[in-house]
Amino acid sequence: RKEVEQDPGPFNVPEGATVAFNCTYSNSASQSFFWYRQDCRKEPKLLMSVYSSGNEDGRFTAQLNRASQYISLLIRDSKLSDSATYLCVVRFYSRLTFGEGTQLTVNP
Amino acid sequence: EPEVTQTPSHQVTQMGQEVILRCVPISNHLYFYWYRQILGQKVEFLVSFYNNEISEKSEIFDDQFSVERPDGSNFTLKIRSTKLEDSAMYFCASSRGGFIGGELFFGEGSRLTVL
Repeated sequence: RKEVEQDPGPFNVPEGATVAFNCTYSNSASQSFFWYRQDCRKEPKLLMSVYSSGNEDGRFTAQLNRASQYISLLIRDSKLSDSATYLCVVRFYSRLTFGEGTQLTVNP
Repeated sequence: EPEVTQTPSHQVTQMGQEVILRCVPISNHLYFYWYRQILGQKVEFLVSFYNNEISEKSEIFDDQFSVERPDGSNFTLKIRSTKLEDSAMYFCASSRGGFIGGELFFGEGSRLTVL
């Protein structure tokens, strides 16, 4: 089983659509959880941390279910600028483990 | 906004040569990291560094690799005797905290091409 597994994608959606990304992780002792985005050939950029209580930042909502070892990201009212690869990231002590990413393309 | 800076942005080297990649982490951050991403693949952990020593390293980080913080600002990754399969984007990152609340901020990367 992969340490961090994401929807394979790619996702192609029209502007204004709602899109959901799913992620599971194998290490139940993982301590912190994040969503990063990565534009083509650029560095990963932190989108948001993910908490058990769920958290929202504008159009983005992240959820964590520790019992199921499941993380999600919901993007509402998607914009052209949301086109990127979304990376599910799990931290265990000083090591971040990245999923392979799910590519999103938002079309006009 | 403070950022992690990396040099060089691109380095081309011959197989067997030594390469040093440099990073200046965010100034009040205490934890430093190197990650790499082979083209088309996922981001992989190499090493973490805290208090002037390695805190953790991956299976990839073998004797060919070393890290150093030679002064108060730079954090370097040395790759000895480069191989073709070392061609990748190398990202430096830093964080203020350790494993609790320690969001990582990444530099723009150094692309290494080994010929």
